[in-house]
Amino acid sequence: QSVLTQPPSVSGAPGQRVTISCTGSSSNIGAGYDVHWYQQLPGTAPKLLIYGNSNRPSGVPDRFSGSKSGTSASLAITGLQAEDEADYYCRSYDSSLSGLVFGGGTKLTVL
Amino acid sequence: EVQLVESGGGLVQPGRSLRLSCAASGFTFDDYAMHWVRQAPGKGLEWVSGISWNSGSIGYADSVKGRFTISRDNAKNSLYLQMNSLRTEDTALYYCAKNSLAARDVGHFDYWGQGTLVTVSS
Repeated sequence: QSVLTQPPSVSGAPGQRVTISCTGSSSNIGAGYDVHWYQQLPGTAPKLLIYGNSNRPSGVPDRFSGSKSGTSASLAITGLQAEDEADYYCRSYDSSLSGLVFGGGTKLTVL
Repeated sequence: EVQLVESGGGLVQPGRSLRLSCAASGFTFDDYAMHWVRQAPGKGLEWVSGISWNSGSIGYADSVKGRFTISRDNAKNSLYLQMNSLRTEDTALYYCAKNSLAARDVGHFDYWGQGTLVTVSS
């Protein structure tokens, strides 16, 4: 059971918009700690997608966006493409655990 | 170009030890915190341990506390993970990750290695 809760899977057709939620608590996201998002393509190492809740590293398309409110964060992907099919993970810090925590991951399927 | 190359993985029996290494290049190693993250086969990512730029702040996941020890050698641009009393549930691909800041609990992982596989089995 992960400290940060993500839906196990989401899906969408090419061109559509999908969102992935990351729900935490008052000891992590709700305490104001930043949320970061990582994309893991099949058979590869994770890659930074969104940092500091809503910032995109250079090279990441603006189809990807992040937001945070209260004890939750969200990753939105617009204009879905086949190459977006991957696992997505949120990550934050938890003061109760005094450590970093990941969400359980969400598998995105492009129909 | 930032490069993180892990090594030291392999097959080990339960209860035995293993030491992982991560060779870093392409950035000023002692300016940044570093972390180990693992991924069991078919499972999600799990943070294992992190160390600040000067080794002054170290943290572990509860699942490895007391068994694993993280360290770094800034002169050699290297990160290590000493894993003792290994259990079957420690079987995973272990990634080395560079933090974006010097402190270990803030910032994000901006670069990852390709991982080294640790298999704990009798």
